[in-house]
Amino acid sequence: DGGITQSPKYLFRKEGQNVTLSCEQNLNHDAMYWYRQDPGQGLRLIYYSQIVNDFQKGDIAEGYSVSREKKESFPLTVTSAQKNPTAFYLCASSRGWTGVRTQYFGPGTRLLVL
Amino acid sequence: AQTVTQSQPEMSVQEAETVTLSCTYDTSENNYYLFWYKQPPSRQMILVIRQEAYKQQNATENRFSVNFQKAAKSFSLKISDSQLGDTAMYFCAFMNPNTGNQFYFGTGTSLTVIP
Repeated sequence: DGGITQSPKYLFRKEGQNVTLSCEQNLNHDAMYWYRQDPGQGLRLIYYSQIVNDFQKGDIAEGYSVSREKKESFPLTVTSAQKNPTAFYLCASSRGWTGVRTQYFGPGTRLLVL
Repeated sequence: AQTVTQSQPEMSVQEAETVTLSCTYDTSENNYYLFWYKQPPSRQMILVIRQEAYKQQNATENRFSVNFQKAAKSFSLKISDSQLGDTAMYFCAFMNPNTGNQFYFGTGTSLTVIP
C-alpha cells in the first residue's frame, strides 16, 4: 500500500544528544515536509524540500537539520542546539508543482527528553 | 506569513446532530487553497475536505461540507449527522501556491461527539 511511514513511534533523547527521525514515502511525491506540534498550537513548519538535494527552512528551523538524498526519504535530525525538543513531529508529502498540492501525513513520532 | 484563526478551542455535539466549526484567514492573495484536516486520538492527520479559492461552489464530501466566504475570508466546516468517530481535533489550513507548498495551520478545534 502507498503511504508515509515514520519511525520510531517514540524516541527518547538525552541532554546534548542528537537524534534522527525517519520519514519515508512511496507515493512518488516530489515535496516533503517536517512539522512540529505542541499542545494548544497548530502545526509549525520546520523544514521542507521540493526536490532531491534541495531544502528550505520553515518557521522554526533553529536546532534542526535535514537531508534529501533520495526522493523517498527526508530524515530530520534534532540537534543538541534545540533546547526544547519535546513535541510530536509529523512528516508530510505532496505531489508536483501545479494544481491542488494536498499534503498527506505520516503517523508521527513522539520525542521526549530524558 | 499568512495567519489562520480558529476561534473555538473546544466544541461538542450530540450524536446525529449538526455542528459547524469556524475558520478565518488573512491573505492578500487571490489564488489559494483551503483545507480541513482531522486528527483523531491516534494523532494521524487525515484530510477531510479542500477548497480552491477560484471555485465559487462550496466543496462537499459526504457528511462534510464547507461554507467558503471569500470576501469575508471565512472557511467554516459543517459536519452533518455527527458520529462518534468524528471526535477529533480539526485543523484549518491555508496554502498559497505562489510561495511554494507551505501550509499555514490554525490552532485547532477539539470536537467531542456525545452519545
